[in-house]
Amino acid sequence: QVQLQQSGPGLVKPSQTLSLTCAISGDSVSSKTATWNWIRQSPSRGLEWLGRTWYRSRWYTGYADSVKSRIFINPDTSKNLFSLQLNAMTPEDTALYFCARDPGDTGWSFDSWGQGTRVTVSS
Amino acid sequence: QSALTQPASVSGSPGQSITISCTGTSSDIAYNYVSWYQQHPGKAPKVMIFDVTNRPSGVSNRFSGSKSGNTASLTISGLQAEDEADYFCSSYSSSTTLYVFGTGTKVTVL
Repeated sequence: QVQLQQSGPGLVKPSQTLSLTCAISGDSVSSKTATWNWIRQSPSRGLEWLGRTWYRSRWYTGYADSVKSRIFINPDTSKNLFSLQLNAMTPEDTALYFCARDPGDTGWSFDSWGQGTRVTVSS
Repeated sequence: QSALTQPASVSGSPGQSITISCTGTSSDIAYNYVSWYQQHPGKAPKVMIFDVTNRPSGVSNRFSGSKSGNTASLTISGLQAEDEADYFCSSYSSSTTLYVFGTGTKVTVL
């Protein structure tokens, strides 16, 4: 059974950078079938996919148009986790952030989710 | 990329069946990669249906999915109190923003 454990701060100042990590157990970040995703949820924007990383002989990343100018998602194979870095945070980025796995064999869907990190952007 | 459109709320009595719709476009729902998620307050979403009609192992067969054109539907049969939750649809999108979600439907068991 795959489990995802998120960690990171819940409060970020405007213009600063959000950094979250998602530790994986029961699978590998280097899986040749899965992709590793970040998703956020807020009352104003609903559920919003932010981006993903995956390994297919080399590492790939893909990002949503809404954040692609300021987002980075990186794997850490030594710790079997992946991270989210979102720069230039504004109050509009206040949301509940989730990491999630798309296993790759169930269409385009997410079968495992982290517990969520509530992030507030405020000075 | 616009969100998929769902009704804000649907309600039913125990034992009844309810259906939630999810309307998109030819850039998303038209593909057969629609999934449905159940979310209880304070919890992460749980996948109930993937690839329009498929149930993951462990999900009750009271949950079923279908699609017609650019509208997908989730039907919950034999409604139970534990089904009270928020439900979201999701689809692959041919835009660079690969996954698009629905606006969400609150299901109330009367």
